Amino acid sequence: RKEVEQDPGPFNVPEGATVAFNCTYSNSASQSFFWYRQDCRKEPKLLMSVYSSGNEDGRFTAQLNRASQYISLLIRDSKLSDSATYLCVVTLYNFNKFYFGSGTKLNVKP
Amino acid sequence: ETGVTQSPTHLIKTRGQQVTLRCSSQSGHNTVSWYQQALGQGPQFIFQYYREEENGRGNFPPRFSGLQFPNYSSELNVNALELDDSALYLCASSPWTSGSSYNEQFFGPGTRLTVL
Repeated sequence: RKEVEQDPGPFNVPEGATVAFNCTYSNSASQSFFWYRQDCRKEPKLLMSVYSSGNEDGRFTAQLNRASQYISLLIRDSKLSDSATYLCVVTLYNFNKFYFGSGTKLNVKP
Repeated sequence: ETGVTQSPTHLIKTRGQQVTLRCSSQSGHNTVSWYQQALGQGPQFIFQYYREEENGRGNFPPRFSGLQFPNYSSELNVNALELDDSALYLCASSPWTSGSSYNEQFFGPGTRLTVL
């Protein structure tokens, strides 16, 4: 079983739409959670951390549900520039290893 | 502040050969992690080095080995290359400190390895 599972998509949405991605993780000892964004043929870059109480950064909202072991990312008012692959990441304490999901591809159309 | 750099950017090898990939960590970062990203997949953790010692390893065979130098730069060595080793190899550095649960990892642009 994979440590982190994501719906690969693609999600094809029009500009201005709201889109949500979910991600599940298998290890209940997972300590920290993140969303990374990866543009085509580029390296991953941190989009936002995910905190237990949920957190928001502009148009982006992240939620964590420890009981059900999933995290989510909500993007409001989608822009063309949001088109990318979104990677869900969890880490275990001590080893500082990052476990990546396979990514969810988002295509925002005009 | 210089970010994470990797060399070379692209590399073509044949099966059975050996390859060395290099990574210079971001200034002030003492931890380097290496990842393999196959096409259409997320990065898979290979191993991490902290203060020149291996500090965790993923599910990769021993022919994947590494080094970290006193200046915190790092190498990834792969022996006996196989076709399935074709991937983007990413290096990430972070300023990890003992007792902390996390420090953000900053990724380099990667080395794209093709094995023929």
